[in-house]
Amino acid sequence: RKEVEQDPGPFNVPEGATVAFNCTYSNSASQSFFWYRQDCRKEPKLLMSVYSSGNEDGRFTAQLNRASQYISLLIRDSKLSDSATYLCVVFYGGSQGNLIFGKGTKLSVKP
Amino acid sequence: DAGVTQSPTHLIKTRGQHVTLRCSPISGHKSVSWYQQVLGQGPQFIFQYYEKEERGRGNFPDRFSARQFPNYSSELNVNALLLGDSALYLCASSWGGGLAFFGQGTRLTVV
Repeated sequence: RKEVEQDPGPFNVPEGATVAFNCTYSNSASQSFFWYRQDCRKEPKLLMSVYSSGNEDGRFTAQLNRASQYISLLIRDSKLSDSATYLCVVFYGGSQGNLIFGKGTKLSVKP
Repeated sequence: DAGVTQSPTHLIKTRGQHVTLRCSPISGHKSVSWYQQVLGQGPQFIFQYYEKEERGRGNFPDRFSARQFPNYSSELNVNALLLGDSALYLCASSWGGGLAFFGQGTRLTVV
């Protein structure tokens, strides 16, 4: 079983739609969780951290379920500019840790 | 406000050659990590350096090596290049925890 699993998509949605991405991770010792956004042929950019209490940043909501080892990202009122690949990322370990990435979920928002 | 800088941005090498990639972290960040991203996959961890010491190594052959300098900049070296080494090489800068920021990457093509 891969350490971080995501549905690769693509998710093709119209502008204004609500879309949800899911991610599961295998290591229960994982400490921190993130969603990164990656545009074609660019570097990953931090979208948001993910907390058990859930966190929201504008149209984006992230949620962590430690018991189920499951992370989600909800995007409301999709914009054309949201088209990108969304990477689920898990971190465990302190100064010696590294990030474990999922393969990414591709989102395409159409007019 | 200088982010993570990597050089060069693009590179073409022939099989068997050696390559050196460079990274300057965000000022104040003591941790530098290297990742390899091949097309269609999430980034894969190669090395982490913290305070100039290697703190982690991913599942990569000994042809890959790295170091971190007193100013926290870092080099990634790859010897005896193979076609399969063609990828986007990403450098990530952090204070030492999970929150990391990426440079624009070096796109390496081996022919």
